[in-house]
Amino acid sequence: DTAVSQTPKYLVTQMGNDKSIKCEQNLGHDTMYWYKQDSKKFLKIMFSYNNKELIINETVPNRFSPKSPDKAHLNLHINSLELGDSAVYFCASSQMVNEQFFGPGTRLTVL
Amino acid sequence: SQQGEEDPQALSIQEGENATMNCSYKTSINNLQWYRQNSGRGLVHLILIRSNEREKHSGRLRVTLDTSKKSSSLLITASRAADTASYFCATYTSGSARQLTFGSGTQLTVLP
Repeated sequence: DTAVSQTPKYLVTQMGNDKSIKCEQNLGHDTMYWYKQDSKKFLKIMFSYNNKELIINETVPNRFSPKSPDKAHLNLHINSLELGDSAVYFCASSQMVNEQFFGPGTRLTVL
Repeated sequence: SQQGEEDPQALSIQEGENATMNCSYKTSINNLQWYRQNSGRGLVHLILIRSNEREKHSGRLRVTLDTSKKSSSLLITASRAADTASYFCATYTSGSARQLTFGSGTQLTVLP
């Protein structure tokens, strides 16, 4: 009965590889987000989708591409991984401008 | 750009003491929220205060908001070791496309 789930929890990969992180929410929320948290714990929004439509796309390299097959899912695909992509990625969801519910995070390590 | 700045960056107290964290922001807001993050976990929403509210309580938490000073404070009373975590303020700015902007966080350590 997890509200917001992400897979995988850990992802270790080589530079240049392509990887995906999946996110699902069962709260019936209309908006989903991807955040990146760096080593100093600074949390920055990357993307936001409302009812499968992209509404926020912060300054993120084109190598990052979100995909929302339906309202309950927002996946993140990353091409040509770089060392600087190493971070913890969080998925979140919300209804309107209320509180956001976060997934457990995916720790990405690029070697 | 970073909307919220939190103060202090780190706080260490004894169990039973109160902990106060402050957050300042730059632009007009719709609401301000506080989140807790335990080590290695996702963020958990604690409390939301709207721009027309001045104070809000939830259990041992008390949040104040001063829109004239663009600042908020989170008070945790009678702290417990389990309160050890990072605490973040986050703001919804007026007119934003449902975007929460997070502060830099305060690392709270409660010593038993």
